[in-house]
Amino acid sequence: DSGVTQTPKHLITATGQRVTLRCSPRSGDLSVYWYQQSLDQGLQFLIQYYNGEERAKGNILERFSAQQFPDLHSELNLSSLELGDSALYFCASSVGPGAGNTIYFGEGSWLTVV
Amino acid sequence: AQSVTQLGSHVSVSEGALVLLRCNYSSSVPPYLFWYVQYPNQGLQLLLKYTSAATLVKGINDFEAEFKKSKTSFHLTKPSAHMSDAAEYFCAVGGAGGGADGLTFGKGTHLIIQP
Repeated sequence: DSGVTQTPKHLITATGQRVTLRCSPRSGDLSVYWYQQSLDQGLQFLIQYYNGEERAKGNILERFSAQQFPDLHSELNLSSLELGDSALYFCASSVGPGAGNTIYFGEGSWLTVV
Repeated sequence: AQSVTQLGSHVSVSEGALVLLRCNYSSSVPPYLFWYVQYPNQGLQLLLKYTSAATLVKGINDFEAEFKKSKTSFHLTKPSAHMSDAAEYFCAVGGAGGGADGLTFGKGTHLIIQP
């Protein structure tokens, strides 16, 4: 158990819909990351927050957005869903910013768009 | 820009044999390098990381990796494979700070253990 909690574990929704994935980082971790894992793209970095502020953006679509709240939990919002958005979405956390910090991953949220 | 290449999408070894998973990286700054393992239907678990302290890094479950700057490699090894090692292994590179702190992952190597 990494200490990173993600909900829901599985989600099935229709095209065009909007979903929200939730993440609670490890206790004491200030940095939260979101990754997407799919068969064709592999593991893709989406976005990072540090202590409530956006720190870095990766390959995140404009239809997707995220935020980190004062209690440090984070949400990833996916809208106007397409079939190709079906993937495993990971949240991860680390104590601080900077790539030398160990990043701990949650077990992921499986999203299926039908 | 950083990138990671894992050589071999599938590697098959016999139980008890040496495990060697290859990883080459590209980075414009001194890299931080990581190996993660993903068991079926689970998240990624850190095996080991290189942060410039020592070129030979020991991790969990008897895995180790050697950083070779001249070859831009960070291959993962284990002396004796166990059936429980069957999983997907990911090599990743992180920058030296500033900008994106997220990791850039390779496409993964599926390790198969033959009885």
